[in-house]
Amino acid sequence: ILNVEQSPQSLHVQEGDSTNFTCSFPSSNFYALHWYRWETAKSPEALFVMTLNGDEKKKGRISATLNTKEGYSYLYIKGSQPEDSATYLCAFIEDSGYSTLTFGKGTMLLVSP
Amino acid sequence: DSGVTQTPKHLITATGQRVTLRCSPRSGDLSVYWYQQSLDQGLQFLIQYYNGEERAKGNILERFSAQQFPDLHSELNLSSLELGDSALYFCASSVDGTSLNEQYFGPGTRLTVT
Repeated sequence: ILNVEQSPQSLHVQEGDSTNFTCSFPSSNFYALHWYRWETAKSPEALFVMTLNGDEKKKGRISATLNTKEGYSYLYIKGSQPEDSATYLCAFIEDSGYSTLTFGKGTMLLVSP
Repeated sequence: DSGVTQTPKHLITATGQRVTLRCSPRSGDLSVYWYQQSLDQGLQFLIQYYNGEERAKGNILERFSAQQFPDLHSELNLSSLELGDSALYFCASSVDGTSLNEQYFGPGTRLTVT
């Protein structure tokens, strides 16, 4: 059973704060890592697909980095806004010949105005 | 709107019954994935289909089965339902069967077994 851990479980910040959270995954047999954003009462929405060690991806105020050798990825949000409030999920894909995603339990972010 | 549709949105049924959940992928996507989200659990992968063929299986119970039809829509059949099967079931689609492309999630079907 693959272990994908996300920390912290939840985070409460003020509007304008920058924040980051971590996804830890097995450092062997890495294939890809996905990040999703899941707003309450909606469905998960893809943010990034990361495949190479050292990958950095950016979408607006949100960026992510990847370290496959040590088995972690960071997600950063610069200048958090209330609309960033959501659960952020990472999903690890093992190089097993299959393309199945193993999700972490997510980091729930609440941004107060 | 992701372009993935799921029906029904809500389903309430009794233990021992059988239900069918339906998913239509985004136009052009060949791969369909089914996930289960139970209370206090993360998204659990159930099964993947690619262009009509089963591609990968996760923690799917023997009471559950799925298929993908020639028009690429997919159905998840849940039988002999138990209280513990109550969950949110998501379908997702992607353009191909690899994991190098993002998955697009439908709105989900909330199943309540009483």
